[in-house]
Amino acid sequence: DIQLTQSPSFMSASVGDRVTITCRASQVIRNYLAWYQQKPGKAPELLIYSASSLQSGVPSRFSGSGSGTDFTLTISSLQPEDFATYYCQQVNSYLAITFGQGTRLEIK
Amino acid sequence: EEKMVESGGGLVQPGGSLRLTCAASGFTFRSYWMTWVRQAPGKGLEWVANIKQDGSEKYFADSVKGRFSISRDNTQNSVFLQMDSLRADDTATYYCARFWFGGRERWFDPWGPGTLVLVSS
Repeated sequence: DIQLTQSPSFMSASVGDRVTITCRASQVIRNYLAWYQQKPGKAPELLIYSASSLQSGVPSRFSGSGSGTDFTLTISSLQPEDFATYYCQQVNSYLAITFGQGTRLEIK
Repeated sequence: EEKMVESGGGLVQPGGSLRLTCAASGFTFRSYWMTWVRQAPGKGLEWVANIKQDGSEKYFADSVKGRFSISRDNTQNSVFLQMDSLRADDTATYYCARFWFGGRERWFDPWGPGTLVLVSS
């Protein structure tokens, strides 16, 4: 199975900061990577698909990049509502889909 | 509005069974793959199973293979997860989601709010 490793697992930041979360795949997954945001007690919500495409309705301060094995999610200027847990997900083969372990983003 | 609503969760004893239902609305259900994902309390997301539009292909995580089955009823816009031989480590919130799969599409959206399954004696 393809493993996804996110870093960091936890980070604290301030409103207005620029934040980058990375996701590394154990094998090449082309650009078949998505990013989700999950707030406590809520279902995950899609932010980015195909590594760099912004889901409709998601603020433009969110962006994704990467291809192959290394990917990043960037929030250009943190807002109070962005403090949440973020997951990457690969769907290179529908025989086995995996998520990263998550990155919890908290207010400094 | 495109949405999914899960139901059928609850408390079940180890070794027991439970059937989850996900009712979809607001989109052409029969045109999409569907998926189940779970999240144990305080843990990350774990993919559970996928089913193709016509139900002809089904895929499962190794952790549930042989114990869980997935099915769908396109006349009722619903997908089901039959869970047998339940274990304590199956305790989780179970989410269903529409699976965008085809060509360059490979993501889950939208997700239902989830239903909690608690396996305990």
